[in-house]
Amino acid sequence: EAQVTQNPRYLITVTGKKLTVTCSQNMNHEYMSWYRQDPGLGLRQIYYSMNVEVTDKGDVPEGYKVSRKEKRNFPLILESPSPNQTSLYFCASSYDRGVTGELFFGEGSRLTVL
Amino acid sequence: GENVEQHPSTLSVQEGDSAVIKCTYSDSASNYFPWYKQELGKGPQLIIDIRSNVGEKKDQRIAVTLNKTAKHFSLHITETQPEDSAVYFCAAREEAAGNKLTFGGGTRVLVKP
Repeated sequence: EAQVTQNPRYLITVTGKKLTVTCSQNMNHEYMSWYRQDPGLGLRQIYYSMNVEVTDKGDVPEGYKVSRKEKRNFPLILESPSPNQTSLYFCASSYDRGVTGELFFGEGSRLTVL
Repeated sequence: GENVEQHPSTLSVQEGDSAVIKCTYSDSASNYFPWYKQELGKGPQLIIDIRSNVGEKKDQRIAVTLNKTAKHFSLHITETQPEDSAVYFCAAREEAAGNKLTFGGGTRVLVKP
């Protein structure tokens, strides 16, 4: 089954404790992206990757890191989480960023930073 | 950069009635406008999209209209059913910005039986 898998789905952590949210897709998509969803603000892009070893900042990259060492994986790293990073996070992938357009989303990771 | 505004933020309709969600965008160069539906506990899923060379597109009970002059587009759901209850997001894509997709703030739709 074609899918984007995120882990963990739910996480409660404390300020400053490094964490990683994993994302994996099995559709051989070149483009991958991370979004955060906050009430009234929609989906805001954190980072994206056009291909292996190619990453770039989105609209809200502060406090986050990503890597793309393999085509299928795109982990999101919070080196020193803060309460304002409490949010619902989505990983998404697409065949490419352009022509086809459709983004395939994971089921989300709800993060609470105390 | 692109700015997408979506209204209303919440919408409650009686089953069988129609629902309309409206979005405006700021960048006249945007050329692709998708709509995503997010069911409870799930990730958003594409339900319909429209490109700038088309004024209207329909797929069964859902339709999208685009007014390029006014820079707004709308989602229309007819004969609403309980399974239409979800959060809906509009988005606009800027080709000049590397095909970046900018989302609206979302509309929570509740269909009352």
